[in-house]
Amino acid sequence: GAGVSQSPSNKVTEKGKDVELRCDPISGHTALYWYRQSLGQGLEFLIYFQGNSAPDKSGLPSDRFSAERTGGSVSTLTIQRTQQEDSAVYLCASSLSPGSPYGYTFGSGTRLTVV
Amino acid sequence: QQQVKQSPQSLIVQKGGISIINCAYENTAFDYFPWYQQFPGKGPALLIAIRPDVSEKKEGRFTISFNKSAKQFSLHIMDSQSGDSATYFCAANNAGNMLTFGGGTRLMVKP
Repeated sequence: GAGVSQSPSNKVTEKGKDVELRCDPISGHTALYWYRQSLGQGLEFLIYFQGNSAPDKSGLPSDRFSAERTGGSVSTLTIQRTQQEDSAVYLCASSLSPGSPYGYTFGSGTRLTVV
Repeated sequence: QQQVKQSPQSLIVQKGGISIINCAYENTAFDYFPWYQQFPGKGPALLIAIRPDVSEKKEGRFTISFNKSAKQFSLHIMDSQSGDSATYFCAANNAGNMLTFGGGTRLMVKP
């Protein structure tokens, strides 16, 4: 597609439930990133995939968070046993490479609300 | 050393005025400095970027000024308009590494 697609756009879940957030990057982009943005806040890095290399998971806030990228394309971010503090907008971005001069293309995000 | 510090956190500018957002970095290996613009409900989008071999880059009403010796760069928005009201993020990286983002500046342009 022309841009980065994220689904669902909104998700309301009960505390303790698991959620899966999906990201479809731009075709051909080898790098894929997940960020979290709390209301009115900055971009909190979560995880980064580059080609076939092991992902950089250094930003994941707890072991309840995990992500995978299948076939070097679609990525899924999973949050287990959701907590109210997980409520945020989860943004996915992709790029040709980490240092691409064309920058990152972000999706519109998934707004997660844990009630 | 990977941090990029951005200021101010929020900014209110009159329509037609100049908006200025500043960023500072420590890592002298950084060689790419983009600015992203984010509207409510959307992801950030690349606005303008500069490399350290030039001190200024202008695209329309948007200008990046770069001071290599001070390790600072700034975004200037001339003749600010209501449509410029958004959150702006500076960022930096060097080849092969992912971007390090500043904390963001929420700009409001008042009529």
